[in-house]
Parts: sequence; C-alpha cells; structure tokens
Amino acid sequence: DTAVSQTPKYLVTQMGNDKSIKCEQNLGHDTMYWYKQDSKKFLKIMFSYNNKELIINETVPNRFSPKSPDKAHLNLHINSLELGDSAVYFCASSHGYRGGEQYFGPGTRLTVT
Amino acid sequence: AQRVTQPEKLLSVFKGAPVELKCNYSYSGSPELFWYVQYSRQRLQLLLRHISRESIKGFTADLNKGETSFHLKKPFAQEEDSAMYYCALGPYNQGGKLIFGQGTELSVKP
Repeated sequence: DTAVSQTPKYLVTQMGNDKSIKCEQNLGHDTMYWYKQDSKKFLKIMFSYNNKELIINETVPNRFSPKSPDKAHLNLHINSLELGDSAVYFCASSHGYRGGEQYFGPGTRLTVT
Repeated sequence: AQRVTQPEKLLSVFKGAPVELKCNYSYSGSPELFWYVQYSRQRLQLLLRHISRESIKGFTADLNKGETSFHLKKPFAQEEDSAMYYCALGPYNQGGKLIFGQGTELSVKP
C-alpha cells in the first residue's frame, strides 16, 4: 500500500537517449511534483501539477516534458539525455498547492553515461 | 530572493548530547517552514512544520522571524537520529513548491 511510487528505481542510459520515469500516488491528492536531487544532495523543484494542469515549470529545459494523464499519475519524459541530467528524481504529492505536507516517492536514480 | 541556507553540511555528535541543526531563510512574505528528514535508504518525510508547533521524536523548531531562522533542536541525540535533514520554505501561492536548503547530515556516534 505504498503511498507514492516511482518506476524505475534505477535507470542507466547513454547520452542522447530518451527515457521516462513514472510516478503514481494512491493518497487521493490533487497536486503532484517533480524534484531533482543533484550529486551534492541539493533538492530543487522542477514541476508542479494540480488536477492535471501545469502550475509550475521552474525554468527546466524543454527536453523535460511532464505529463499527467490523471490526478494520480505524473510522468516525466526526458529527451536527448545529457550527462548533467544524472541525478535522483523525486516525485511528491500533496493535497492542494497552498502549503502543507508533501509526500515523497522513493526516488529514481538516473545515470547518463 | 527566496533562499534557504543550512550552513553545516555535516554535524557529528555523541549520543546523549544536544543537537542543533541551523536553518536560515530569505523570504519577503510570511513564511511556511518545514523540516524534512531522510533516513538511510528511506524516502524523504516530513518531520516538523512550524505551523503545528509540535515536538516529533523529541525534535522542536521555533520560527524566529527577527533572525529569519528555523533551527531544529533536540536535547539528547539518539543513534537512530542519524539521517539527512532538510529545511524547506513553502512560499505563499507559488504552486506549492518547496525551496530546500542544502541539507545537513547528522551523525550520532555511540
């Protein structure tokens, strides 16, 4: 009964490839997020979706395209992967987007070689 | 600018010693502040939020608007407190995003 799940857990791929990371939450939340954690463990918001609508795009390159097919899912597709995309990507969800606790997934470690 | 600063990358204390993890923020509005914790091989989870003013696992944090600080304190550290701690700012009406500090790794030695 995992609250926020991500697949895959690990992803190793070569530069130039296209890859997707999936996120699902079963908490009944209406807002979902993607965060990127770099090698220094610094966490930074990438996107925020509320009821399938994009509400934050934090100046992320347009090689990154999030898609929310429904409130419970937020996927992240990355085109033309670069070395600098190597990081841990965390999905999170919350009830509403005007503050409050966010529930995080386990993370997806992406390594681009 | 909206920013959260955690000046210590690593904090090492002995079991039973007091611990204080520092957090300072920069935000022009009324802040909503959180402490999140990530234990080894576990996901990030909420430890405290300033609105609730409660003590979780013996930890407390007080918002000091004059000093723009939200330091996390525990009087007697336990080995199981060893983890990565993140202070986070939730700016009002900005899509729910959290602005995280760089994180402090707390190591409690026996």
